[in-house]
Amino acid sequence: GQNIDQPTEMTATEGAIVQINCTYQTSGFNGLFWYQQHAGEAPTFLSYNVLDGLEEKGRFSSFLSRSKGYSYLLLKELQMKDSASYLCAVSVNRDDKIIFGKGTRLHILP
Amino acid sequence: GAGVSQTPSNKVTEKGKYVELRCDPISGHTALYWYRQSLGQGPEFLIYFQGTGAADDSGLPNDRFFAVRPEGSVSTLKIQRTERGDSAVYLCASSWRQGPPFFGPGTRLTVL
Repeated sequence: GQNIDQPTEMTATEGAIVQINCTYQTSGFNGLFWYQQHAGEAPTFLSYNVLDGLEEKGRFSSFLSRSKGYSYLLLKELQMKDSASYLCAVSVNRDDKIIFGKGTRLHILP
Repeated sequence: GAGVSQTPSNKVTEKGKYVELRCDPISGHTALYWYRQSLGQGPEFLIYFQGTGAADDSGLPNDRFFAVRPEGSVSTLKIQRTERGDSAVYLCASSWRQGPPFFGPGTRLTVL
C-alpha cells in the first residue's frame, strides 16, 4: 500500500522558523514534491527532491532521506502570507503516478 | 494560455445526472492527472495519462467515473449517475515527463 503522513496542523510566529515533517511508505519512489495551498485555491509547486540532502530555494528548503522515508520542509522568516496548507507528495515507481498526503495546515501568529 | 485551465469552475447538478469536467493542460505537457479534493483533505489520486493512454486509473472510485484524453491534450472526466458523495473539488494537473505537475484552478462539483 501507499501511505504518506504529515502533522494535521502546526502554529508558528511571524518571523520564526518552522519545520513540517513528512514520512512515506510507498511501493516505489521516484521523487518527492512539496506544494503550498491557500484556502480555496489550487496547490502551487514549491520544491522537488530526488536525491538525499537539502534543496534550498529562498526562504524555503526541503530535505530528503530516502533510506528513512522522510522529508521535511523548512520555512524561514515566516510571513503572514505563509499561512496555508503544505502538501507532501510522492512520485511512485513504474507508473509515475503522484500521490499526496493529507496536508499540514500552518497558522502564523503575529 | 500559460497555465492549466478547467471548465466549468462550478457545477451544480442533481443526484443521478451525468456531468463532464474538462481540463486543458499546459501546451506540450505529456502527463495529465486528475485528483479530487474534499475540504480539509489532500488531493486524492483518480487517474493519470501519459499521452493519450491512461497509465494508471487505479484511483477511479467505481465504474461511474471515466476519463479520456483522445488527442493527448485536452482531457474530460465523466461521471455518470452522480451521487451526493461525489461533491468535491476536481483538480487537474499537467507535467512534462517526470517534472512537477502544475495544477489548474479546479472545478467545484456540488451534487444536490
